[in-house]
Amino acid sequence: DTGVSQNPRHKITKRGQNVTFRCDPISEHNRLYWYRQTLGQGPEFLTYFQNEAQLEKSRLLSDRFSAERPKGSFSTLEIQRTEQGDSAMYLCASSGNLRVMNTEAFFGQGTRLTVV
Amino acid sequence: AQKITQTQPGMFVQEKEAVTLDCTYDTSDPSYGLFWYKQPSSGEMIFLIYQGSYDQQNATEGRYSLNFQKARKSANLVISASQLGDSAMYFCAMREGRRDSSYKLIFGSGTRLLVRP
Repeated sequence: DTGVSQNPRHKITKRGQNVTFRCDPISEHNRLYWYRQTLGQGPEFLTYFQNEAQLEKSRLLSDRFSAERPKGSFSTLEIQRTEQGDSAMYLCASSGNLRVMNTEAFFGQGTRLTVV
Repeated sequence: AQKITQTQPGMFVQEKEAVTLDCTYDTSDPSYGLFWYKQPSSGEMIFLIYQGSYDQQNATEGRYSLNFQKARKSANLVISASQLGDSAMYFCAMREGRRDSSYKLIFGSGTRLLVRP
C-alpha cells in the first residue's frame, strides 16, 4: 500500500496518560501535516513539516502536544497528560512539492483517540 | 482571515439525481485553491476535485463538477447521477497561495449527504 499510513487506528487512554501516534507519509512527499477533527466538524490544522523541519504550529497545539519528523520520513504526534477534550480523530496528510497549489493532500485513515 | 462556510449540515438526494453542495469562502489572498473532499464513515478523506483561483473554467472530474463563482466567493460541488456510495460527509477546503505559506488546508464544517434508493 503506497498511501498515507497511520497507527494506531484507535486508542483509548485514561486521562493523564501520554499517547503517541505515528504517520508514514507517501514516500516521495516532503510536506506533512497533522490535523485534528472533532465530532461533526471539519479537520483543523495542527502543525506542518517540510522535510524534517517543523515550520508552522497552530495555536491549537498546546504545550502538551509535540510533533517530530526525524529524517524527514515518518512523523510522530505525542500528547502528554491527556485530557478528555483531546478526544478526537487525528489525521495526517502529505503532499508533494511540485505545482503545490493544485496538488492535493493525501490523507491517512486517522487515529481516533478516546480519553476516558 | 481565511474562512470556509458550508451552510447545509445535511442533504438528501434521490439515487440517480443531481445534487449541489454549497460552499462559500473568504480570503484576501488573490491566489488560492479550493478543494472538495469526501469522508465516508470509515474516516479517510478522499480528494474529489480542485479549482484554482485563476482558473477560467469550472473544474470537472467524472460525475463531480465545481460551480466556481469568484465574484460571489462560492465554490459549490455538483454531483450528477447520485449513487448510494456517495452517501458520506463532504468537506470544502481552501489552500492559501502565499509562497512562504505552509499551504495548509482550511476546512468547512461539512455537509452530510444521504442518497436514497
